[in-house]
Amino acid sequence: NAGVTQTPKFRVLKTGQSMTLLCAQDMNHEYMYWYRQDPGMGLRLIHYSVGEGTTAKGEVPDGYNVSRLKKQNFLLGLESAAPSQTSVYFCASSYWGAEDTQYFGPGTRLTVL
Amino acid sequence: AQSVTQLGSHVSVSEGALVLLRCNYSSSVPPYLFWYVQYPNQGLQLLLKYTTGATLVKGINGFEAEFKKSETSFHLTKPSAHMSDAAEYFCAVSGGFNNDMRFGAGTRLTVKP
Repeated sequence: NAGVTQTPKFRVLKTGQSMTLLCAQDMNHEYMYWYRQDPGMGLRLIHYSVGEGTTAKGEVPDGYNVSRLKKQNFLLGLESAAPSQTSVYFCASSYWGAEDTQYFGPGTRLTVL
Repeated sequence: AQSVTQLGSHVSVSEGALVLLRCNYSSSVPPYLFWYVQYPNQGLQLLLKYTTGATLVKGINGFEAEFKKSETSFHLTKPSAHMSDAAEYFCAVSGGFNNDMRFGAGTRLTVKP
């Protein structure tokens, strides 16, 4: 039981490049989330999904897209990376919604030059 | 929208001393409140949560928190700090049908020998 895994662990991009971050969970959770963590700002929700085939915007969705084609996977895409997207990205999952515990992955450290 | 304020970005205590990390929230609906801990280079893990019922909530590693509606607070305490408690602690709020969990900026706890 691996829990929540994220790929890759580290990535360096140049401005304007694109990339996709992959999150996978093996707990059969319905809800999945993508957060970014910046110093002094805590975690901010980018997008989330309440089930396979669904996505919704969070607090800071601009510049990101997501897809949930399979229940166990949640992809975060950056179409044209900007230095402001330099951050640590965390994926999380939960069985229920607002009242349920979220289980977090180990994070992806992204640097955009 | 919901929000969380954590008072004090850094807290330093001596080993064996009381740990008190402060969290105040704002919510227009009955809140669900969480404390998560993050160890260096890791994802977040749940310490404890309040959803409904008893307002004094006990969590892992000897931590507890009390939900005080009149003070809109959910402070985290531990009677006796241990070196292994050194980490960053995040308070978070969600509620109702809102899956947009909001995190505080975090409090870094240092434990001195």
